[in-house]
Amino acid sequence: DIQMTQSPSSLSAFVGDRVTVTCRASQTISSYLNWYQLKPGSAPKLLIYAASSLHSGVPSRFSGSGSGTHFTLTISSLQPEDFASYYCQQSYSSPVTFGQGTKVEIK
Amino acid sequence: EVQLVESGGAVVQPGGSLRLSCAASGFSFDDYSMHWIRQSPGKPLEWVSFITWGGSRTDYADSVKGRFTISRDNSKNSLHLEMKSLSTEDTALYYCAKDDGRDGNNFDYWGQGTLVTVSS
Repeated sequence: DIQMTQSPSSLSAFVGDRVTVTCRASQTISSYLNWYQLKPGSAPKLLIYAASSLHSGVPSRFSGSGSGTHFTLTISSLQPEDFASYYCQQSYSSPVTFGQGTKVEIK
Repeated sequence: EVQLVESGGAVVQPGGSLRLSCAASGFSFDDYSMHWIRQSPGKPLEWVSFITWGGSRTDYADSVKGRFTISRDNSKNSLHLEMKSLSTEDTALYYCAKDDGRDGNNFDYWGQGTLVTVSS
């Protein structure tokens, strides 16, 4: 199985900060990388698919980049509703696998 | 608006069985593959199972193979997960998720989840 490693596991930031989360794959996955947002009590949301494509309805402050084994999710200006956990997921090979998550907390 | 609503979660004893359901609306259910994904306390998300739009092909994570069965009823826009021989390792919030239809398994809409607790 492909291992996905996210960093950091948690971070604290102010509203308005630029935030970057990194995800590394244990082998090349081309651009088969998605990012999700999870909040307790809510349905998880797809943010980014195919490494850099914004899912419908997702604010433009979210962006993704990378290919091969190294990927990043960037929030250009953190908003109060963005405090949540973020997970990367590879869809290159079965079984699909997720990173361990990054919790973004208020500073 | 796409909506996925899971149900059937409960507290069950080790070795027991449970059937989860997911009611879908807001899209052409029979056009899309569907998935079950779970998150155990303190652990990352884990893909559990997949079924194609017509139900002809299914797949399972090794951790549940032989114990879980995924099925769907396109006439009722519903997805199911039959779980047997449950262990404490199966304790988790179970989500149903819609496949986006693109290359690879991408989950574009999820439900809020239903909680399964395996405990004596």
